[in-house]
Amino acid sequence: EIVLTQSPGTLSLSPGERATLSCRASQTVTNNYLAWYQQKSGQAPRLLISGASKRATGIPDRFSGSGSGTDFTLTISSLEPEDSAVYYCQQYGSSPPITFGQGTRLQIK
Amino acid sequence: QVQLVESGGGLVKPGGSLRLSCEVSGLSVSDYYMSWIRQAPGKGLEWIAYMSSSGNTKYYGDSVKGRITISRDNAKNSLHLQMSSLRPEDTAMYYCVSRSGWYSAFENWGQGALVTVSS
Repeated sequence: EIVLTQSPGTLSLSPGERATLSCRASQTVTNNYLAWYQQKSGQAPRLLISGASKRATGIPDRFSGSGSGTDFTLTISSLEPEDSAVYYCQQYGSSPPITFGQGTRLQIK
Repeated sequence: QVQLVESGGGLVKPGGSLRLSCEVSGLSVSDYYMSWIRQAPGKGLEWIAYMSSSGNTKYYGDSVKGRITISRDNAKNSLHLQMSSLRPEDTAMYYCVSRSGWYSAFENWGQGALVTVSS
């Protein structure tokens, strides 16, 4: 089973700043099958990025994903107040089981 | 527009059973890989069950194996999760989720059904 470790646990930034969220895998993620999800309070998760770097339909271009192998990054280039959420990474290249990271909470000051 | 709508959640006693349903529109459950993912209060996401598009392959998470069964009704375009021998640690929001292929991310999510296991 691939274990995903996200850092930091919590990030507090101001509007307009750049956010960098990390996801590290315990072993190589096959074909970079790594996704990022956003979950706002009281809502279901929403797919942001798949295949490590491909934005899902309707996702603003301030969200970008990068990385390969075992180290992946979600970058939000210029934070908006509505970006306040918990962000999860997930691997789907080596399953079952499909595994998620524990999440990074992003707070907008 | 794809919609997944869960139902059947509620309060159940330890050792009890519950059946969750997911009514799907905008895609055919027989063409997609369907899963159930749960989230305990204040916790992260846990994948617990999966069914292939053919229906021939099913996987279950270790924490629920032997206690849950995933199924679908192609005629009603719905997905189901039968849960038994429920424990307090099964208390969670249960999401119905679809993906278009084995190597695809979870593209569509329902709003969730809350299951509370308590005496």
